[in-house]
Order: sequence, then C-alpha cells, then structure tokens
Amino acid sequence: EADIYQTPRYLVIGTGKKITLECSQTMGHDKMYWYQQDPGMELHLIHYSYGVNSTEKGDLSSESTVSRIRTEHFPLTLESARPSHTSQYLCASSDRSKGEQYFGPGTRLTVT
Amino acid sequence: AQSVTQLGSHVSVSEGALVLLRCNYSSSVPPYLFWYVQYPNQGLQLLLKYTSAATLVKGINGFEAEFKKSETSFHLTKPSAHMSDAAEYFCAVSDIGTASKLTFGTGTRLQVTL
Repeated sequence: EADIYQTPRYLVIGTGKKITLECSQTMGHDKMYWYQQDPGMELHLIHYSYGVNSTEKGDLSSESTVSRIRTEHFPLTLESARPSHTSQYLCASSDRSKGEQYFGPGTRLTVT
Repeated sequence: AQSVTQLGSHVSVSEGALVLLRCNYSSSVPPYLFWYVQYPNQGLQLLLKYTSAATLVKGINGFEAEFKKSETSFHLTKPSAHMSDAAEYFCAVSDIGTASKLTFGTGTRLQVTL
C-alpha cells in the first residue's frame, strides 16, 4: 500500500503571496515528482528528484522551486503566487527499480 | 523519445457494456506500460502495469490490458462497465532501462450511463 501525503488539499491565496506545498512519503522511495494538472487535462512534469540533494526541472517550465533535504520530503515553493499558477499539483514517488509511480491526493491551488 | 496516444478524449458506454480504452505508444526501447485512473479531486491510482512478463495483464476493479508489440498498443478493457468506473483514465510509458520518468497520454474520460 502506497502512502504519500500532500498538504494542504485546497488552498486559496492572494496574488504575491509565498506558498509551500508539502509532500511526504513513508515508503523510502528514492524518486519523487511534481506534476501540474489543469482540470480534465493531462499531467505535466514540472520537477523531479532522484534522491537527497538531487532536483531537476521537468518538461514543463515552472516558476516554482523544490528541495530534497530528506528522502521522505519534497516540498514545492512559489515565491510570489500569480493567477496563472492556479492549477492542481500532484506529487508522486517511485521505487528505484519498479517504475510505477504512486500519487498523492493533490493540492488544488487557486490564486486570486 | 517516448510518447503515448490515447484515442478518444471521451468514451461513453452503458452500464454492463464492454469498456475499451485505447492506448498506443512509441518507444525506442522495450517499455514499461501503465494504466492509471483518476476520480474527481483525487490523485492517480495505478490500475495495472506491464513490465515484460505476461502480455495480458490483469489489474484492479476487473480491468485488464493486453500488450501487443506488433501494434505498439496497450488497450484497457473491462467486460462489464459499472457506474463506479466513471473517471479519467491515463495511459503512461517509461523505458525499462531507466524506469524513471513517465510519459502520460492526454487521458480518456469514461462516462457510464444507465
């Protein structure tokens, strides 16, 4: 059973605010990922990490940043939120060898 | 580079009818293939995966998929649709060598009617 958590689940915030979306997993997975998904649309990879102190930008350019100081924790930060950042953000993790990714429940962000 | 094509952004079936969701992939190396389901306001849940063992893969909730190398396809089927199957379905591919990043299709929304 995969255990990956995201907080908050829903966030409404004003333009210009700094926000951090939390993602934690208890499976000891090396690899973690952040996706952005607009309602009813495909997933776009925005960041990924293959281990502690390793972070890479994904296929979709994003103004957000990530850090990986601990294996289980992969937070995503927006320094200054804008309405264009309104979207759903999904965190995932995977085992080194198996390939499949396990997803958290997502954070739905609305920037007003 | 890998890619996934899901034919049909919306599929509607009657309850009890066969479900067929199509997925074709492109990969220069042997792939891993996955089907995920997403219910409203939730993350993605793994339905099933192909990792070069049996070509017919059985998953959760009565779904199965068949890997056909000659057709580069991995279509998802279920013999009898249930109202609870209504959701968004995503096909994804990664390569066996790295087993790292997934490339997702654009998704198919399944509607089940009475």
